[in-house]
Amino acid sequence: GAGVSQSPSNKVTEKGKDVELRCDPISGHTALYWYRQRLGQGLEFLIYFQGNSAPDKSGLPSDRFSAERTGESVSTLTIQRTQQEDSAVYLCASTVVSGGQPQHFGDGTRLSIL
Amino acid sequence: DQQVKQNSPSLSVQEGRISILNCDYTNSMFDYFLWYKKYPAEGPTFLISISSIKDKNEDGRFTVFLNKSAKHLSLHIVPSQPGDSAVYFCAAYTNAGKSTFGDGTTLTVKP
Repeated sequence: GAGVSQSPSNKVTEKGKDVELRCDPISGHTALYWYRQRLGQGLEFLIYFQGNSAPDKSGLPSDRFSAERTGESVSTLTIQRTQQEDSAVYLCASTVVSGGQPQHFGDGTRLSIL
Repeated sequence: DQQVKQNSPSLSVQEGRISILNCDYTNSMFDYFLWYKKYPAEGPTFLISISSIKDKNEDGRFTVFLNKSAKHLSLHIVPSQPGDSAVYFCAAYTNAGKSTFGDGTTLTVKP
């Protein structure tokens, strides 16, 4: 399909392990966002990539969280030494340009930390 | 410090009636406001947007109103249909692309 693809769709892991979440944006989309949604809560901004500019990392909750993006393609969000409070749905979105353009979301990765 | 607030966690309306979902914001630097709709186990999908230079935008059954002086926007759905039942998120964007979402309002449209 031509939409935003995220993998895995579900991930269960033990506390203390590292996890890596992947996002394949829509081809040609220069902007890419990561969000976290805890149960019953809204979307919490984590990080934003726009082209070759330095990413806006202001939403990352701790230094255990990091993200990379290769050019204008795939992005990976890495959580090191996972904690139970990291359990959430992690959503990725992409858009053609930044500003008020609608974001196209993937279906998310549901992360459960035991 | 929540910059975008949706104060009603849930709303229930009868099919055919109007649904009004509200959103308040605090940052006067927001340039665009978007509404997204989300079904369980799916990512949000874009519904309608409005620029800060406008006060109304309409698309079929959906209308968004913006009151900049009150820092308030609302989404009107009329007539409401059972398929509109979902979680609705209000999102505010700066011109630099940074987005802030509200916590969402769960709309239930009863047949």
